[in-house]
Amino acid sequence: QKEVEQNSGPLSVPEGAIASLNCTYSDRGSQSFFWYRQYSGKSPELIMFIYSNGDKEDGRFTAQLNKASQYVSLLIRDSQPSDSATYLCAVWRPNTGNQFYFGTGTSLTVIP
Amino acid sequence: GAVVSQHPSWVICKSGTSVKIECRSLDFQATTMFWYRQFPKQSLMLMATSNEGSKATYEQGVEKDKFLINHASLTLSTLTVTSAHPEDSSFYICSARRLAGGLGTGELFFGEGSRLTVL
Repeated sequence: QKEVEQNSGPLSVPEGAIASLNCTYSDRGSQSFFWYRQYSGKSPELIMFIYSNGDKEDGRFTAQLNKASQYVSLLIRDSQPSDSATYLCAVWRPNTGNQFYFGTGTSLTVIP
Repeated sequence: GAVVSQHPSWVICKSGTSVKIECRSLDFQATTMFWYRQFPKQSLMLMATSNEGSKATYEQGVEKDKFLINHASLTLSTLTVTSAHPEDSSFYICSARRLAGGLGTGELFFGEGSRLTVL
């Protein structure tokens, strides 16, 4: 079982819609969860992080964490074509040499 | 603005030469930095964890004698690709962890990446 799993997509949504990106993780010892956006040919950039159960909102982005279900999601409201990118989910586990574990990413396309 | 800077952004070299890539944390000290490699349309692959003042920890399958990592200060880690060959052509990305006070978690920030082409 992979440490972090994401649906590779591609996920397509019309402009203005809500895009929902999902991620599951295998280790209950994971403590913090991160969402990164990566444009083609560029390095990942941090969008949000969350470590408490529930929702965390930042502008058009909302991260949701459910530790009991080992599930974290990212909602993008009012999706824009500029949101088209690959979204990477990452988890952090203490006391491991690697510490950060990444999913393979979900490709999102926002259609104008 | 950027909190992790990577240099050079692009490098083209001849087969058999060595290439050094620098990764700097700009406004924080990073005891741990990570080096990744990414091939086109593929996911990030962790190569090694760079620890300040000690030897790097390499992932399985990554040749430590080919990919030399030095983390001599709290703000700088370098990756040297020795005797580069065309199959080493890739996008190399570093990251550094910025600790968030007493939380112990910290955010992971990425450098801009270095695109290596070996002719």
